[in-house]
Amino acid sequence: AQTVTQSQPEMSVQEAETVTLSCTYDTSESNYYLFWYKQPPSRQMILVIRQEAYKQQNATENRFSVNFQKAAKSFSLKISDSQLGDTAMYFCAFMRTMDSSYKLIFGSGTRLLVRP
Amino acid sequence: EAQVTQNPRYLITVTGKKLTVTCSQNMNHEYMSWYRQDPGLGLRQIYYSMNVEVTDKGDVPEGYKVSRKEKRNFPLILESPSPNQTSLYFCASSLEGAGANVLTFGAGSRLTVL
Repeated sequence: AQTVTQSQPEMSVQEAETVTLSCTYDTSESNYYLFWYKQPPSRQMILVIRQEAYKQQNATENRFSVNFQKAAKSFSLKISDSQLGDTAMYFCAFMRTMDSSYKLIFGSGTRLLVRP
Repeated sequence: EAQVTQNPRYLITVTGKKLTVTCSQNMNHEYMSWYRQDPGLGLRQIYYSMNVEVTDKGDVPEGYKVSRKEKRNFPLILESPSPNQTSLYFCASSLEGAGANVLTFGAGSRLTVL
């Protein structure tokens, strides 16, 4: 069974600095999707970034980028120039490509606080 | 505006009193699903539906029922709620096929069972 592990329950960063959130996963599949979701205090689940496993190039969305290490089964999220609005819970998630349930398997989350 | 709408957003109920959390999407998505979020566990899939009249269990289906009579609606039914069903619930939808990995989530429903 696939599992997703986020080993940092809480992190803190100064505004305008860079922070990296860690995620590791376990799977025997060769192709899959990986995601980072943001959950602000409003509780809305917001997709931050998505990576397809067969693509070697790391995904980037503005200030958000990932470091995808397929062999190490690692998928970390880097937030550059942190802003107060980045304060949220961040979830790493995995989806098998051939899964007809389109099930997302989530990690336990990392709570990020951006300090002014 | 394309969205997934859940109601109610907040509900406090008592053990055994049947309740339904509604979910509706206006994007003509084939796929819909329910998740529950609990502290330290992330989100876990309860049930999903690939299309009208096609539903199946996720990882934590015990104590829940669903139905998909219309493409846009996917209600979650708790026939006899218990305190261990106190949780934050999310409905999500997506297109089938290549677009299935991009889920649109509802705003969440906070349920407390006393």
